[in-house]
Amino acid sequence: AQTVTQSQPEMSVQEAETVTLSCTYDTSESDYYLFWYKQPPSRQMILVIRQEAYKQQNATENRFSVNFQKAAKSFSLKISDSQLGDAAMYFCAYRSAPGAGSYQLTFGKGTKLSVIP
Amino acid sequence: DAGVIQSPRHEVTEMGQEVTLRCKPISGHNSLFWYRQTMMRGLELLIYFNNNVPIDDSGMPEDRFSAKMPNASFSTLKIQPSEPRDSAVYFCASSLHWTKGTEAFFGQGTRLTVV
Repeated sequence: AQTVTQSQPEMSVQEAETVTLSCTYDTSESDYYLFWYKQPPSRQMILVIRQEAYKQQNATENRFSVNFQKAAKSFSLKISDSQLGDAAMYFCAYRSAPGAGSYQLTFGKGTKLSVIP
Repeated sequence: DAGVIQSPRHEVTEMGQEVTLRCKPISGHNSLFWYRQTMMRGLELLIYFNNNVPIDDSGMPEDRFSAKMPNASFSTLKIQPSEPRDSAVYFCASSLHWTKGTEAFFGQGTRLTVV
């Protein structure tokens, strides 16, 4: 079974600065997808960014980018120019490639990000 | 698009009562999931539907839990009888074609409190 570990229960960042959230995972599969989800106080889980394991290029979505290190099984999220609205719980998640294994998204325990004005 | 719509947003019920949570997936999505979030266990998959058919219900905790998807635009998760340990946030999510690798989009969740 796959596991996802987020070793930082809480992080803080100054507004306009850059912060990196860590995620490691364990799998024996060679093809899979990784995600970062944001959960603000409103509770809704919002997809931030997605990375396919077969792609070497790191995914980027505006101020959000990832550092995907397949050999190290590491998938960190970098938030640039942090804004107050970025304050939330961030969850790293793993899914097997279609047809390759489990149907579920496996989530880490989350990192609570605070943004200091 | 309105996104995944769940109702109610909050539910407080007494132990032993029946609880029904509702979900309307994004129009056109053929995959639907129910997840449960607790402080102790995090986010766990309860059940996965594809084209209205339950494909994986191995996460359903026990017989007190049941889920249905009578059509492509509606699903329910029922707990009967409810117990205090069922208190959690229940999320519904949908995906255009999960079996082809599309993303899952979540609703706002239902916070269930069983007293």
